[in-house]
Amino acid sequence: EVQLKESGGGLVQPGGSLRLSCVASGFTFNIYWMNWVRQAPGKGLEWVANMNQDGSQKHYMDSVKGRFTISRDNARNSLFLLMNNLRAEDSAFYYCARWNNAADVWGQGTMVTVSS
Amino acid sequence: DIVLTQSPGTLSLSTGDRATLSCRASQSIRNNYLAWYQQKPGQAPRVLIYGASNRAPGIPDRFSGSGSGTDFTLIITRLEPEDFAMYYCQQSGDSLYTFGQGTKLEIK
Repeated sequence: EVQLKESGGGLVQPGGSLRLSCVASGFTFNIYWMNWVRQAPGKGLEWVANMNQDGSQKHYMDSVKGRFTISRDNARNSLFLLMNNLRAEDSAFYYCARWNNAADVWGQGTMVTVSS
Repeated sequence: DIVLTQSPGTLSLSTGDRATLSCRASQSIRNNYLAWYQQKPGQAPRVLIYGASNRAPGIPDRFSGSGSGTDFTLIITRLEPEDFAMYYCQQSGDSLYTFGQGTKLEIK
Protein backbone atom coordinates (compact mmCIF):
# COMPACT_ATOMS: atom_id res chain seq x y z
CA GLU A 1 0.00 0.00 0.00
CA VAL A 2 1.27 3.45 -0.92
CA GLN A 3 1.60 5.40 2.29
CA LEU A 4 3.14 8.45 3.95
CA LYS A 5 3.34 8.81 7.70
CA GLU A 6 4.35 11.99 9.48
CA SER A 7 5.66 12.35 13.01
CA GLY A 8 7.45 14.85 15.19
CA GLY A 9 4.71 17.37 15.88
CA GLY A 10 3.96 18.73 19.31
CA LEU A 11 3.77 21.78 21.53
CA VAL A 12 6.68 24.20 21.34
CA GLN A 13 7.26 27.70 22.67
CA PRO A 14 7.64 30.68 20.33
CA GLY A 15 11.21 30.82 19.10
CA GLY A 16 11.64 27.08 19.55
CA SER A 17 12.41 24.34 17.05
CA LEU A 18 10.87 21.11 15.84
CA ARG A 19 11.88 18.51 13.29
CA LEU A 20 9.11 16.78 11.39
CA SER A 21 9.63 13.43 9.70
CA CYS A 22 7.69 11.65 6.98
CA VAL A 23 8.31 8.02 6.13
CA ALA A 24 7.21 6.69 2.78
CA SER A 25 6.26 3.12 1.95
CA GLY A 26 4.79 1.22 -0.96
CA PHE A 27 6.45 3.23 -3.74
CA THR A 28 9.88 4.20 -5.07
CA PHE A 29 10.51 7.28 -2.93
CA ASN A 30 13.61 8.56 -4.72
CA ILE A 31 11.89 9.30 -8.05
CA TYR A 32 9.43 11.85 -6.72
CA TRP A 33 9.49 15.48 -5.71
CA MET A 34 8.13 15.77 -2.18
CA ASN A 35 6.22 18.57 -0.50
CA TRP A 36 5.16 19.85 2.90
CA VAL A 37 1.71 21.44 3.13
CA ARG A 38 0.14 22.85 6.28
CA GLN A 39 -3.34 23.69 7.46
CA ALA A 40 -4.20 25.70 10.52
CA PRO A 41 -7.32 24.44 12.35
CA GLY A 42 -10.41 25.58 10.47
CA LYS A 43 -8.33 27.26 7.75
CA GLY A 44 -7.28 26.49 4.20
CA LEU A 45 -4.33 24.63 2.77
CA GLU A 46 -0.96 26.36 2.60
CA TRP A 47 1.96 25.03 0.60
CA VAL A 48 5.15 25.24 2.67
CA ALA A 49 8.11 23.75 0.80
CA ASN A 50 9.23 21.15 -1.68
CA MET A 51 12.35 19.49 -2.94
CA ASN A 52 13.39 17.42 -5.91
CA GLN A 53 14.54 13.84 -6.03
CA ASP A 54 18.19 14.34 -5.09
CA GLY A 55 17.76 17.39 -2.89
CA SER A 56 19.48 19.78 -5.28
CA GLN A 57 16.35 21.96 -5.66
CA LYS A 58 14.41 23.32 -2.73
CA HIS A 59 11.67 25.93 -2.61
CA TYR A 60 9.96 27.60 0.32
CA MET A 61 7.00 29.88 0.87
CA ASP A 62 8.11 33.38 1.72
CA SER A 63 7.10 33.38 5.39
CA VAL A 64 9.25 30.35 6.26
CA LYS A 65 12.36 31.13 4.21
CA GLY A 66 15.40 31.21 6.43
CA ARG A 67 13.56 29.47 9.28
CA PHE A 68 12.51 26.11 7.79
CA THR A 69 14.73 23.58 6.04
CA ILE A 70 13.43 20.69 3.96
CA SER A 71 15.61 17.64 3.49
CA ARG A 72 15.35 13.98 2.59
CA ASP A 73 17.14 10.68 3.08
CA ASN A 74 16.37 8.49 0.11
CA ALA A 75 18.09 5.49 1.69
CA ARG A 76 15.54 5.66 4.51
CA ASN A 77 12.57 6.73 2.34
CA SER A 78 12.22 9.77 4.55
CA LEU A 79 11.41 13.45 4.21
CA PHE A 80 12.13 16.00 6.91
CA LEU A 81 11.20 19.55 7.83
CA LEU A 82 13.39 21.34 10.34
CA MET A 83 11.51 24.32 11.73
CA ASN A 84 13.43 26.97 13.67
CA ASN A 85 12.36 30.22 15.29
CA LEU A 86 8.76 29.06 15.34
CA ARG A 87 5.95 31.57 15.55
CA ALA A 88 2.34 31.28 16.67
CA GLU A 89 1.24 31.56 13.05
CA ASP A 90 3.15 28.37 12.23
CA SER A 91 0.66 26.37 14.32
CA ALA A 92 -1.03 23.89 11.97
CA PHE A 93 -1.37 20.34 10.82
CA TYR A 94 1.64 19.58 8.66
CA TYR A 95 1.18 17.11 5.82
CA CYS A 96 3.82 15.59 3.62
CA ALA A 97 2.71 14.89 0.08
CA ARG A 98 4.14 13.11 -2.92
CA TRP A 99 4.21 15.13 -6.12
CA ASN A 100 3.12 13.37 -9.32
CA ASN A 101 1.64 16.14 -11.52
CA ALA A 102 -0.17 17.10 -8.31
CA ALA A 103 -0.02 16.10 -4.67
CA ASP A 104 -1.36 12.61 -5.25
CA VAL A 105 -0.44 10.89 -1.98
CA TRP A 106 -0.81 12.55 1.43
CA GLY A 107 0.03 11.53 4.94
CA GLN A 108 -2.40 11.87 7.81
CA GLY A 109 -0.61 14.93 9.15
CA THR A 110 1.13 15.87 12.38
CA MET A 111 0.02 18.78 14.56
CA VAL A 112 2.37 21.58 15.50
CA THR A 113 1.28 24.01 18.19
CA VAL A 114 3.40 27.06 18.93
CA SER A 115 2.35 28.60 22.22
CA SER A 116 3.78 29.78 25.51
CA ASP B 1 3.91 34.67 -5.94
CA ILE B 2 0.84 33.64 -7.89
CA VAL B 3 -2.34 34.36 -5.96
CA LEU B 4 -5.31 32.09 -6.61
CA THR B 5 -8.79 33.41 -5.88
CA GLN B 6 -11.61 30.90 -5.66
CA SER B 7 -15.27 31.74 -6.01
CA PRO B 8 -17.77 31.47 -4.63
CA GLY B 9 -16.65 31.10 -1.04
CA THR B 10 -19.65 28.91 -0.31
CA LEU B 11 -21.91 27.13 -2.76
CA SER B 12 -25.24 25.77 -1.55
CA LEU B 13 -26.73 23.14 -3.82
CA SER B 14 -28.81 19.98 -3.71
CA THR B 15 -28.04 16.40 -4.60
CA GLY B 16 -28.36 15.98 -8.34
CA ASP B 17 -27.47 19.62 -9.08
CA ARG B 18 -24.52 20.80 -11.14
CA ALA B 19 -21.73 22.66 -9.32
CA THR B 20 -19.44 25.17 -10.98
CA LEU B 21 -16.38 26.30 -9.01
CA SER B 22 -13.99 28.97 -10.22
CA CYS B 23 -10.29 29.57 -9.64
CA ARG B 24 -8.68 32.74 -10.97
CA ALA B 25 -4.93 33.35 -10.95
CA SER B 26 -3.14 36.68 -10.54
CA GLN B 27 -0.97 35.80 -13.54
CA SER B 28 -0.97 33.20 -16.24
CA ILE B 29 -0.13 29.71 -14.99
CA ARG B 30 2.67 28.10 -16.98
CA ASN B 31 1.55 25.03 -18.90
CA ASN B 32 -1.81 25.22 -17.10
CA TYR B 33 -0.30 23.46 -14.09
CA LEU B 34 -3.48 23.74 -12.05
CA ALA B 35 -4.87 21.03 -9.80
CA TRP B 36 -8.11 20.65 -7.87
CA TYR B 37 -8.46 18.89 -4.51
CA GLN B 38 -11.37 17.78 -2.39
CA GLN B 39 -11.09 17.74 1.39
CA LYS B 40 -13.58 16.36 3.89
CA PRO B 41 -13.49 17.14 7.64
CA GLY B 42 -10.74 15.27 9.46
CA GLN B 43 -9.23 13.93 6.25
CA ALA B 44 -6.25 14.78 4.10
CA PRO B 45 -7.02 16.33 0.71
CA ARG B 46 -7.55 14.13 -2.35
CA VAL B 47 -6.51 15.19 -5.82
CA LEU B 48 -9.33 15.31 -8.36
CA ILE B 49 -7.85 17.07 -11.38
CA TYR B 50 -4.30 17.85 -12.52
CA GLY B 51 -3.03 19.82 -15.49
CA ALA B 52 -6.31 21.78 -15.45
CA SER B 53 -8.35 19.06 -17.13
CA ASN B 54 -6.95 15.60 -16.39
CA ARG B 55 -8.89 13.46 -13.96
CA ALA B 56 -6.76 11.70 -11.36
CA PRO B 57 -7.02 7.90 -11.19
CA GLY B 58 -10.21 6.67 -9.59
CA ILE B 59 -12.03 10.00 -9.83
CA PRO B 60 -15.59 9.68 -11.18
CA ASP B 61 -16.30 11.25 -14.55
CA ARG B 62 -18.86 13.62 -13.01
CA PHE B 63 -15.80 15.70 -12.04
CA SER B 64 -14.28 17.72 -14.85
CA GLY B 65 -11.81 20.57 -15.08
CA SER B 66 -11.29 23.18 -17.72
CA GLY B 67 -9.61 26.49 -18.34
CA SER B 68 -6.27 27.97 -19.25
CA GLY B 69 -4.09 30.96 -18.53
CA THR B 70 -5.66 32.64 -15.52
CA ASP B 71 -9.20 31.24 -15.41
CA PHE B 72 -10.02 27.69 -14.40
CA THR B 73 -13.22 25.85 -13.58
CA LEU B 74 -14.14 22.66 -11.78
CA ILE B 75 -17.55 21.26 -12.69
CA ILE B 76 -19.30 18.54 -10.79
CA THR B 77 -22.35 17.23 -12.58
CA ARG B 78 -25.10 15.35 -10.75
CA LEU B 79 -23.93 16.02 -7.20
CA GLU B 80 -23.79 12.99 -4.93
CA PRO B 81 -24.07 13.24 -1.11
CA GLU B 82 -20.36 12.47 -0.74
CA ASP B 83 -19.40 15.45 -2.94
CA PHE B 84 -20.29 18.02 -0.29
CA ALA B 85 -16.88 19.10 0.98
CA MET B 86 -14.19 21.77 0.64
CA TYR B 87 -12.51 22.24 -2.71
CA TYR B 88 -9.13 23.85 -3.33
CA CYS B 89 -7.22 24.73 -6.45
CA GLN B 90 -3.41 24.74 -6.49
CA GLN B 91 -0.94 26.00 -9.05
CA SER B 92 2.50 24.55 -9.71
CA GLY B 93 3.45 26.67 -12.68
CA ASP B 94 5.65 28.82 -10.49
CA SER B 95 8.48 27.50 -8.34
CA LEU B 96 6.47 28.60 -5.31
CA TYR B 97 3.28 26.61 -5.33
CA THR B 98 0.13 28.22 -3.95
CA PHE B 99 -3.40 27.18 -3.04
CA GLY B 100 -6.63 29.07 -3.40
CA GLN B 101 -8.55 29.85 -0.23
CA GLY B 102 -11.14 27.18 -0.95
CA THR B 103 -14.82 26.82 -1.84
CA LYS B 104 -17.16 25.11 0.57
CA LEU B 105 -19.78 23.05 -1.23
CA GLU B 106 -22.66 22.58 1.18
CA ILE B 107 -26.04 20.94 1.05
CA LYS B 108 -28.88 23.40 0.46
